Formats: sequence, structure tokens, C-alpha cells
Amino acid sequence: GNSVTQMEGPVTLSEEAFLTINCTYTATGYPSLFWYVQYPGEGLQLLLKATKADDKGSNKGFEATYRKETTSFHLEKGSVQVSDSAVYFCALTSGNTPLVFGKGTRLSVIA
Amino acid sequence: ETGVTQSPTHLIKTRGQQVTLRCSSQSGHNTVSWYQQALGQGPQFIFQYYREEENGRGNFPPRFSGLQFPNYSSELNVNALELDDSALYLCASSEGGGNNSPLHFGNGTRLTVT
Repeated sequence: GNSVTQMEGPVTLSEEAFLTINCTYTATGYPSLFWYVQYPGEGLQLLLKATKADDKGSNKGFEATYRKETTSFHLEKGSVQVSDSAVYFCALTSGNTPLVFGKGTRLSVIA
Repeated sequence: ETGVTQSPTHLIKTRGQQVTLRCSSQSGHNTVSWYQQALGQGPQFIFQYYREEENGRGNFPPRFSGLQFPNYSSELNVNALELDDSALYLCASSEGGGNNSPLHFGNGTRLTVT
């Protein structure tokens, strides 16, 4: 079946540091890959997505590249801000299956 | 454009009771999906409703049931509550049934079962 594995948190960074959150997946067929963000007390918001191999999704300074050869979709940002503190979820859908989420990675950015 | 709204925001119930959670979908969306997010975990798919019919179900027992109304709003009902049902319940709306359209999530209902 489909599954997503994310690096365990929490991740604590200083403002302006470089961020990487690892995500690998197992899926049948050709999945679409997503990163969602959950700010405290809120629901999930779509951050970025990629629908085929070698696509790069980007939004708000975050990027992730769909790597089929390594079955990965790692999230990166060059310079994090305090306002980026949240929980980040990697997710996939394949063949019109419901979204499958990873367990989430909590990011705390300190000034 | 009105987003997805869920009610209530918080709820405390006793084991064995029944609960109903409500969701109003985003304007123009005809599909509603429900997810359960236990503490420290990612959301788990419960079921989806499209045009008032169940359109897919995850690995949840029959005591989890739902409805979708002609205005595309939805309810999640849970009978015979168990302690492990304590979680954040998320509703997401989308267009066109299936899972190929982006999901728009509400802020969730936090259910505590004691």
C-alpha cells in the first residue's frame, strides 16, 4: 500500500538557518506528492505539490523536488523565519486514492 | 469566498456516548472528506462524500458514519465512543469527487473522550 515516512522532529532552528525536512514514500503507480503545513490551532494548508517525476513544487520560499529514483520529496527553505514555526506533513495520492500523510515534523524557529 | 468551517471547535464526551460533528464545505465544492488526526500523528482518512453518497472509506469501524446534505455540508457521527476516539477531526472539501482536486481543510473539531 501507499505510505509516507518523514524525519522525526522536533526540529529547532535559528532564524535565517537552512531547513531540510526529509520525506520518502512508497506507492503503487505514479503518485502526486504534497507538503501541507499546520499552524497552531488551525487545519492543514497546502504548501506545495508536484505531480510527476523531476517536478519542483515551490511556495513562500519553500521548495521540494519529486525524485522518483530515490522515492523522495524533501522540503527545503534557504532562510527560515519565526513565522515558519508549524508542523509540516508530507502526503501522497496515487491512482485517485485518498491522501496518505506522514506523521508530521514540528519545526520551531527561534529569533 | 467562504472557506471550510467546522463546529463545534472543542467537545468533551464520555465513553459510550454518541457525537455529531459538522462541516460546511467551501463555496462551489461538492465533495467532503473526513480525517482523524490523533495527537502527534498525521491525519488518517475516514471517508469521503460526493453528491450525498459515500465515495470511499478508510479503515474505520461502522460506528463511524456520515451524511452529506444537498447543500454539500456534511456530518460525521461516531457511536459508542471509545477513549481512543480522542483526536482532532478534520473536514476537507474539494471539487468533483475522487482525490485529484486540492483539499481545503477546516480548522477541525477537537474531541476528548473521558
